[in-house]
Amino acid sequence: DIVVTQSPDSLAVSLGERATISCKSSQSVLSSANNKNYLGWYQQKPGQPPKLLIYWASTRQPGVPDRFSGSGSGTDFTLTISSLQAEDVAVYYCQQYWQTPPAFGQGTKVEIK
Amino acid sequence: EVQLVESGGGLVQPGGSLRLSCAASGFSFSSHWMHWVRQAPGKGLVWVSRIKTDGSITTYADSVKGRFTISRDNAKNTVYLQMNSLGAEDTAVYYCTRDGGGEAAIHYFEDWGQGTLVTVSS
Repeated sequence: DIVVTQSPDSLAVSLGERATISCKSSQSVLSSANNKNYLGWYQQKPGQPPKLLIYWASTRQPGVPDRFSGSGSGTDFTLTISSLQAEDVAVYYCQQYWQTPPAFGQGTKVEIK
Repeated sequence: EVQLVESGGGLVQPGGSLRLSCAASGFSFSSHWMHWVRQAPGKGLVWVSRIKTDGSITTYADSVKGRFTISRDNAKNTVYLQMNSLGAEDTAVYYCTRDGGGEAAIHYFEDWGQGTLVTVSS
């Protein structure tokens, strides 16, 4: 099974500053057939279900603000919030869907400094 | 608007059973793989099970294999999770999710229900 690891476990960022979360998979999630990375990012606010932000490593879900961006390929990926807003306080998860079972990282808690 | 509404959670004794349901609306239910994902209190997300559009393929996490059964009724736009031999480790919020790949087995989770809490305790 593919293991997904995020870092850091938590981070505190000032309003308007950049937040960066790393995600590493134990195996490549890049398909040579379609050149797509099978990696998604989710946001979970307290008391709410997760929400899909990004899929194919860098494709934003409709309605997701453009301050959220995903990058990376193979085994190393990054979620960047370019200018942190108060409403971005949440736990963020990455997830690989290259292999079954789909696997999530342990989550990264983002707070305001 | 896509809606996924879970029900059937509650308090159950160790060794007991529960059946969760997820009523779907707002999309072509029979054209999407469906999944269950769970989250223990204060913990992260864990994939539990998946079912193909026509129910012909089902897969389970090792932690629930042999105890849980996923099924669907496309006429009722509903997916189920039968949970048997429950233990304390199964205590979690169970989310029903819609696969973003449609009929293709892509398996990112495009839509989520609000979840239903299952508590296993004596």
